[in-house]
Amino acid sequence: GAGVSQTPSNKVTEKGKYVELRCDPISGHTALYWYRQSLGQGPEFLIYFQGTGAADDSGLPNDRFFAVRPEGSVSTLKIQRTERGDSAVYLCASSPTRQGAGETQYFGPGTRLLVL
Amino acid sequence: SQQGEEDPQALSIQEGENATMNCSYKTSINNLQWYRQNSGRGLVHLILIRSNEREKHSGRLRVTLDTSKKSSSLLITASRAADTASYFCATGSSGNTGKLIFGQGTTLQVKP
Repeated sequence: GAGVSQTPSNKVTEKGKYVELRCDPISGHTALYWYRQSLGQGPEFLIYFQGTGAADDSGLPNDRFFAVRPEGSVSTLKIQRTERGDSAVYLCASSPTRQGAGETQYFGPGTRLLVL
Repeated sequence: SQQGEEDPQALSIQEGENATMNCSYKTSINNLQWYRQNSGRGLVHLILIRSNEREKHSGRLRVTLDTSKKSSSLLITASRAADTASYFCATGSSGNTGKLIFGQGTTLQVKP
């Protein structure tokens, strides 16, 4: 079956602009996660959804970052007033059940964001 | 912030040799997972070990977990050139959050 997909694959934007990154999880997966990975580092947790609600947004770095999942499927990560330090690969993952802890997470290919 | 350290940061071996990577973490965990990443893009899940388990096998992979030392190791036996990738450990805590906290990774190169 189809895996997690993310669009766009690459996004180049200018400092100060607004960007939206989209994630389509595996069909039926109720848990969805966003991570950010800088060059040479491991992924860093941003936010976790159970269904439509953000169950844990403790990783969002500041109020310029916001994510939604209005129908419990597709999610959009939104970044306002982008800064050069936001440049990274943004990874989305999903997992099957309502109990997120202790499950395998299935990752998408990521969106590489470059802020000039 | 990242949970812990991986050791070594980089490893280069010949095809057929075994590769061992270590991971240390700081806080108590519910489970520890290993992921593989090629070319800096999507991660692929390799194996999950729960906090009450000490060892787990999957094909050529063997994972150990020592909760008293807060450490884990991943052994890849009879390595192949196709095993060349970055390997990350990730810890999950107890509770209702599914978030994983990743280490910085080990870059493995297997020479044919």
